[in-house]
Amino acid sequence: EPEVTQTPSHQVTQMGQEVILRCVPISNHLYFYWYRQILGQKVEFLVSFYNNEISEKSEIFDDQFSVERPDGSNFTLKIRSTKLEDSAMYFCASRAGTGRVGELFFGEGSRLTVL
Amino acid sequence: SQKIEQNSEALNIQEGKTATLTCNYTNYSPAYLQWYRQDPGRGPVFLLLIRENEKEKRKERLKVTFDTTLKQSLFHITASQPADSATYLCALPNNAGNMLTFGGGTRLMVKP
Repeated sequence: EPEVTQTPSHQVTQMGQEVILRCVPISNHLYFYWYRQILGQKVEFLVSFYNNEISEKSEIFDDQFSVERPDGSNFTLKIRSTKLEDSAMYFCASRAGTGRVGELFFGEGSRLTVL
Repeated sequence: SQKIEQNSEALNIQEGKTATLTCNYTNYSPAYLQWYRQDPGRGPVFLLLIRENEKEKRKERLKVTFDTTLKQSLFHITASQPADSATYLCALPNNAGNMLTFGGGTRLMVKP
């Protein structure tokens, strides 16, 4: 069964360092998302991406964040200068390209710990 | 502003009983609503989607209702099993349909 894969599963970094989280969405999907979940809190939307551009972003997704689909298969989230409050589980998700309605398929997440 | 509310208190029920979880929303007119399951440390897994013109949707032991007047969805698990223990999330799209917003989830504990 096709699945969304994310790497690394866990990353520990120092405050101020750059981090890149990687995702391989399901191969024929066209819509891509990043969400985050701080421990014990809700799943929060960060950004959606379609047709090689951002289609929606939240207030969380400020200038420190960027996304890229560099090679047609990977979808990355970069945090330029990490802060303590960026510590969270980051989930990538993808959706098939059948209009505006459809289920999201989530990866297992990348846990980011900022020290 | 748009808001999604799920009961933040855990729901504890006995195996074999029906679990009913509630999702209320304000300042939305969603074209559909989705329910997901999340296990600890794992990503959400899609369960059911119900559209605004559907009153009820069923899938095996799961049933979802959608009342756009009350702005509420109910999620039922019949003949519950300990393996159903998880956090259940409801999610609504924005008007453009390019993002889903998740509720805080309700944790369900099914005791044998």
